Parts: sequence; C-alpha cells; structure tokens
Amino acid sequence: EVQLVESGGGLVQPGGSLRLSCAVSGFTFNYYWMHWVRQAPGKGLVWVSRINSDGTSTSYADSVKGRFTISRDDAKNTLYLQMNSLRADDTAVYYCARGATGYSSSWHDNWGQGTLVTVSS
Amino acid sequence: DIVMTQSPDSLAVSLGERTTINCKSSQSVLYSSTNKDYLAWYQQKPGQPPKLLIYWASTRESGVPDRFSGSGSGTDFTLTISSLQAEDVAVYYCQQYYSTPPTFGPGTKVDIK
Repeated sequence: EVQLVESGGGLVQPGGSLRLSCAVSGFTFNYYWMHWVRQAPGKGLVWVSRINSDGTSTSYADSVKGRFTISRDDAKNTLYLQMNSLRADDTAVYYCARGATGYSSSWHDNWGQGTLVTVSS
Repeated sequence: DIVMTQSPDSLAVSLGERTTINCKSSQSVLYSSTNKDYLAWYQQKPGQPPKLLIYWASTRESGVPDRFSGSGSGTDFTLTISSLQAEDVAVYYCQQYYSTPPTFGPGTKVDIK
C-alpha cells in the first residue's frame, strides 16, 4: 500500500524556518517525481514545488522561490521541504504528493494527510 | 501561468441526480504530439487530502466509481457525476499539468439538496 506521511509542521514566527518531511512507503521512491502542494485555511490547492526522480532538477512556485528548498533522500525514502524566511501567507496545510508518471508533466496519484504550518507572532 | 476557472462555485443537488462541473483553462492543455489533454480532476472531502478521480481529462483512476466521468478537450472540460450519492459531498478541483507551474481551479463545492 502506498503511504506518504508528512511531519515537521507547527507554529513559527515570521522570518523563521521550518523543515517538513514526507516519509514514503509501498513504492519504489527513486522512480517517481515528488511534489509539495499547499492549502491555506478554507482556500484552494496551490502547487509549491517538485523534484525529479534522481534529485537533479527542481522547480518552485514564484511565491516561494529563493525561500524554499525541496530535496530528497532516497536511502531514507523521504522527501523534504526546507522553508526559510516564512511569512504569514505561507500558513497552510502542506501536502506531499507523488507524480504519477516518471515525467515532469504529471498528475498527483497519491497524497499524504498533510502537515499544518502556521506562521504567526 | 495557465489560469484555471471552474463553474459553478457551488451547487446543491438531490440524491440520484446528475451533477456537472465545468473547468476552463486560459490556454489549451492539449499537447499535439501526444494528442492528450493534460487535465486532472480531484475530490476533496472535509478534513481529508485530495483524491485523484480523473487524468488525461477522461481516464478514470483505478477504484473510482463509474458514476464519475470526465470529458472535454483543449480549454473546456467537464466532470459529471451521473447519480449523486451522499458520499460525493466534497469540493472538486481541476488541475492542468501541461506546463509548469501546474495550476488548480478554485474548486466547486457539491452539497446535497
């Protein structure tokens, strides 16, 4: 069974940092591109970032570029999102999601339960 | 970025009735070399993560009930629930994955009348 389990969320002050983790199981992690998608309270889904299967290529939404860094550790079957210079508008539930195909253009066929990040003083 | 819009914002439908949700992209998501529309639909129930329903605009994900169907091409797409069930109460999102960044529609909330 495919499982994605996020952790690392919490309350952080504006300007602070946080690292999210997504531990995966039930599939060959190093075959798949992986994504982070966020959802502000009561709002819609917004794609944040993605990383290719071997970790050599990354992309970011303009709103997080230069502040967030996506990475992966295939030995630990874990995806990460390092978030720096956090702002109030980064407050959201952060989901990790699997890209369904081995290509950049893909839908998300499996999602974690999400981890809540709250940026507030 | 490709902008996705959905209509209506919300709707209330009687159990067993047909439900139609529309999604429009600001530019075509039909990739000519593959002749495929890079469009997916997701269902999100309260307190849960999104669940994939449809990809390639009309291919139903494994395990999704056949009352859910997707249609359309180019810039205009439709998600149809042929006979609404109580468990279908949710917000439905379309998403284009034709170009980076992948973008979602604002969502359509479906309730029971």
